[in-house]
Amino acid sequence: GAGVSQSPRYKVAKRGQDVALRCDPISGHVSLFWYQQALGQGPEFLTYFQNEAQLDKSGLPSDRFFAERPEGSVSTLKIQRTQQEDSAVYLCASSLAVAGAANEKLFFGSGTQLSVL
Amino acid sequence: QKEVEQDPGPLSVPEGAIVSLNCTYSNSAFQYFMWYRQYSRKGPELLMYTYSSGNKEDGRFTAQVDKSSKYISLFIRDSQPSDSATYLCAMSPSGNTPLVFGKGTRLSVIA
Repeated sequence: GAGVSQSPRYKVAKRGQDVALRCDPISGHVSLFWYQQALGQGPEFLTYFQNEAQLDKSGLPSDRFFAERPEGSVSTLKIQRTQQEDSAVYLCASSLAVAGAANEKLFFGSGTQLSVL
Repeated sequence: QKEVEQDPGPLSVPEGAIVSLNCTYSNSAFQYFMWYRQYSRKGPELLMYTYSSGNKEDGRFTAQVDKSSKYISLFIRDSQPSDSATYLCAMSPSGNTPLVFGKGTRLSVIA
């Protein structure tokens, strides 16, 4: 594809609902990151995949957050029992690079804006 | 105190002005420094990528890193209304460790 694609673009959930956010990285990109961006803040790291391996999940705020990338391409971020504090834009980014330079030429999607009521 | 500090602005300048944006940081392990531009309702877009100290120039943009002062800057020359966006600094200790972002500075260039 032309870029990193995220869906849905907007998601409204009632408190306590489960949500699933999808990321389609650029074809062939090995590294995939999820970031959370609260209103008026910079993105904050959630988790990192290299192909299908989740190498770092230190940024996931609680065990309600789960991410997977089973075939090394599409990734899904799942949030269980959503809370109001989960309201944010969830950004996915991908990179062709592997070790040593994954942050270079990192391409971001437009994000999914999650609102929990 | 956050690892990366960035004045959120907003900053408003006339078209053609030189814009100076900056960030300070506390983690001396940071080696990779980036500037991203983010338009409203879009994802961040990489503008400049530098390693360690020094200057880097790309067209109207110049990035400076002063590791001794833990201070990075982005200069925009001949600013245009299309430069109106939020500018985020980001940094990391190595090329494939998670980026730590500043809060972002919102810039408006007035025609």
